[in-house]
Formats: sequence, structure tokens, C-alpha cells
Amino acid sequence: AQTVTQSQPEMSVQEAETVTLSCTYDTSESDYYLFWYKQPPSRQMILVIRQEAYKQQNATENRFSVNFQKAAKSFSLKISDSQLGDAAMYFCAYRSGTGNQFYFGTGTSLTVIP
Amino acid sequence: DTGVSQDPRHKITKRGQNVTFRCDPISEHNRLYWYRQTLGQGPEFLTYFQNEAQLEKSRLLSDRFSAERPKGSFSTLEIQRTEQGDSAMYLCAALESILYGYTFGSGTRLTVV
Repeated sequence: AQTVTQSQPEMSVQEAETVTLSCTYDTSESDYYLFWYKQPPSRQMILVIRQEAYKQQNATENRFSVNFQKAAKSFSLKISDSQLGDAAMYFCAYRSGTGNQFYFGTGTSLTVIP
Repeated sequence: DTGVSQDPRHKITKRGQNVTFRCDPISEHNRLYWYRQTLGQGPEFLTYFQNEAQLEKSRLLSDRFSAERPKGSFSTLEIQRTEQGDSAMYLCAALESILYGYTFGSGTRLTVV
């Protein structure tokens, strides 16, 4: 089975600063998708950003961007101009191009300091 | 509002009791998934439905667990003879698309005492 590793259980960032959350994954497949999900306290998980493995260009969604290093199997999330509302648990997830389930990392708890 | 509704939000039950959770996708989604999330962990796959057919089950889904999706719309997850180890957040998700991933419900937090 594929594994997704988030090595930072907790991170903190000053408001308006930039923070990078790390994610690595293990797979032998060439066709897959990678996602970052955000889970605020007591609220549902929402999709932050996604990346198709066949695309070399890094995905960007407003203040959120990824650094996708396919050879290194690394998929980090950069949050620019951090806001208080960014405080949440962030999960990295992998989905095979042919599979039916997502594999999630253990999450990184992000604190934003005013 | 989320496109997936889950009921109840919280459930406290005594060990040995049966519990049932419900998941309602607001719009039609062919694929519906159940995940379990324990404290400090990411969601773990339990099972998934393609319309009313349950096509895949995780080894985490012991014989005390049963899931149904009788008409291909809402789904239920039942846990029989609950154990303290069943305490977790149970998440339901509908697959928007392979590209866009899931829409999650708010989850049902189960506490077995």
C-alpha cells in the first residue's frame, strides 16, 4: 500500500508570513494525484489544492502553492501571507490514478500567531 | 454548506451497544466513502460504494461493522457490540471527481464509554 508521511506534527507561523508544510509519499505508480486538505477544529475537511502527477508545473491556488518533486516523491505546501483563518490541521493525501481510496498522512497542526 | 451531511454529529454510547450513523450527499454522487479518523491520525479508508454496490472494504472493517447504501443515495454505517477502540471520528465523503477529490461531511464523533 502507498504511504504518505508528514514529518511535522506541529508548525507555527506569524501572521502575514510564509510557512511550508512537508509531505513525502511512497509509490511505484506513475499515474496518481496528490492533495492537501485542511481540517479546521470541529469542522469538515476541505480541499486546499491538488496536483496531477503528470503535470510538471506546480499547482497554485491564491496564497497556496505546492512544490512537487516527483523524483524525490515530495509534495510540500507553501502558504503565503498567512492569515488567522489558516490555522487548522493540514493533511496530505495520495490517490492512485486507478485506485478507489485516498491515503492520508498523519497531519500537521498549523498555528497562526497574531 | 458542505455537500455531505452526517448525522449525528456526536454519539456517546456504552460498550456493547449498537450504533448507526447516517450520511446524506446533498447532490447525486455515484461514489460514497467511509473513513475513520482517530486522534492524531489521518483518515483511514473503511469502505466505498459505487451507487448501491459496496465494492471495497478495508481490513479495518471487522465483522461488527456493516455499511449499506440501499438506494444509491444516503448510506448508513452500523457498529455492533461497540468497543472502546471504536471511539473515533467517522467521516463520510463523496467523490466529486478523480481530479478534485472528495467532499467530506462534518463527521460523526463516536465515544464508547
